[in-house]
Amino acid sequence: NAGVTQTPKFQVLKTGQSMTLQCAQDMNHNSMYWYRQDPGMGLRLIYYSASEGTTDKGEVPNGYNVSRLNKREFSLRLESAAPSQTSVYFCASSYSRGRGGEYFGAGTRLSVL
Amino acid sequence: RKEVEQDPGPFNVPEGATVAFNCTYSNSASQSFFWYRQDCRKEPKLLMSVYSSGNEDGRFTAQLNRASQYISLLIRDSKLSDSATYLCVVNPTGNQFYFGTGTSLTVIP
Repeated sequence: NAGVTQTPKFQVLKTGQSMTLQCAQDMNHNSMYWYRQDPGMGLRLIYYSASEGTTDKGEVPNGYNVSRLNKREFSLRLESAAPSQTSVYFCASSYSRGRGGEYFGAGTRLSVL
Repeated sequence: RKEVEQDPGPFNVPEGATVAFNCTYSNSASQSFFWYRQDCRKEPKLLMSVYSSGNEDGRFTAQLNRASQYISLLIRDSKLSDSATYLCVVNPTGNQFYFGTGTSLTVIP
């Protein structure tokens, strides 16, 4: 049972480059989330998708876009990477509306030079 | 005011000790509460949900105090493997979860 799978695990970009982080879950969860985690800041929500076909901004959406491709997959795109986007990114999923908490992928460590 | 606040610690305790963490939240309408643990350079993992009546899972006990707007996590008989960062999470309404910055615990032999 894979749970939440994120790719890639590591990535180094140059300023201005673009990339897409992929996330897939096999738990039949309705809601999916993208977070970033920075030292001393805790986890901050970038975007979330309450259900297939919907996406909403979280606390720190600037510089990012998302796509809820289907119920299983939720991708995060950086169109023009900036050094301030250097962070650890986590994808998570939950059944819906706070039921049962969230389950996280292993994370993507991104460095933007 | 932050949605969720935690004492960052660190808490350094000897094996076998009992340790407790508190976490305060700002939205009195919050309905769901959780504790997660996060090991160094790993993803957060759900430890337990926090119910209004309190709940226990082995050596771990979680409690909710709605009047004072805090949740607590008690760890009894600490093990070396309990060393981690413990995150408090609050789900006020809708689909957003607010995470505390975490409390660091080190259990010393």
